[in-house]
Amino acid sequence: DAKTTQPNSMESNEEEPVHLPCNHSTISGTDYIHWYRQLPSQGPEYVIHGLTSNVNNRMASLAIAEDRKSSTLILHRATLRDAAVYYCILSSADSGTYKYIFGTGTRLKVLA
Amino acid sequence: EAGVAQSPRYKIIEKRQSVAFWCNPISGHATLYWYQQILGQGPKLLIQFQNNGVVDDSQLPKDRFSAERLKGVDSTLKIQPAKLEDSAVYLCASSFLPGYEQFFGPGTRLTVL
Repeated sequence: DAKTTQPNSMESNEEEPVHLPCNHSTISGTDYIHWYRQLPSQGPEYVIHGLTSNVNNRMASLAIAEDRKSSTLILHRATLRDAAVYYCILSSADSGTYKYIFGTGTRLKVLA
Repeated sequence: EAGVAQSPRYKIIEKRQSVAFWCNPISGHATLYWYQQILGQGPKLLIQFQNNGVVDDSQLPKDRFSAERLKGVDSTLKIQPAKLEDSAVYLCASSFLPGYEQFFGPGTRLTVL
């Protein structure tokens, strides 16, 4: 199973953009890149996912490197409600189960 | 749309006791997951069901943990007997099919004394 590497923690000022990096150098061609976040005392929630092309939704943008060995989650204007642990996860279509392997994630602190 | 429901929210037991957790997934979701999240770590998949069949239980400690999803809807996860290292949050999630967005419940926080 391919693994991801993320910084343990990051800080951002409120209303500033945030770029959360993720390295996945062993990614295979059929691996999807998912981002989830976990607010305090809650279960994780979906943020965004992609395969090869950059993706945008109402919550965030996902920029995927051309070689797919890294990706960046972009929060365009951080708010205090965005303070959470952000997980970058790979899931493979090969297995049929699309199993998620969570790492320890990046704890984002948003400063007022 | 109702989310994933779990109960109880908190449970405190003595080591060697038994405990069971219940999960009601989102209606129409065929895939159900149980995760264990130890403090400071990311969730770890214990078992994945597709309808009422198990598709992955490679990380489930089968000597003490069991799970079932008899009618392809609700699921229960049981620990018997519990150990101190089982103290964790147990998260249930569901998705329409494997590979689709997973929706997580609030979790059950288990403390084993």
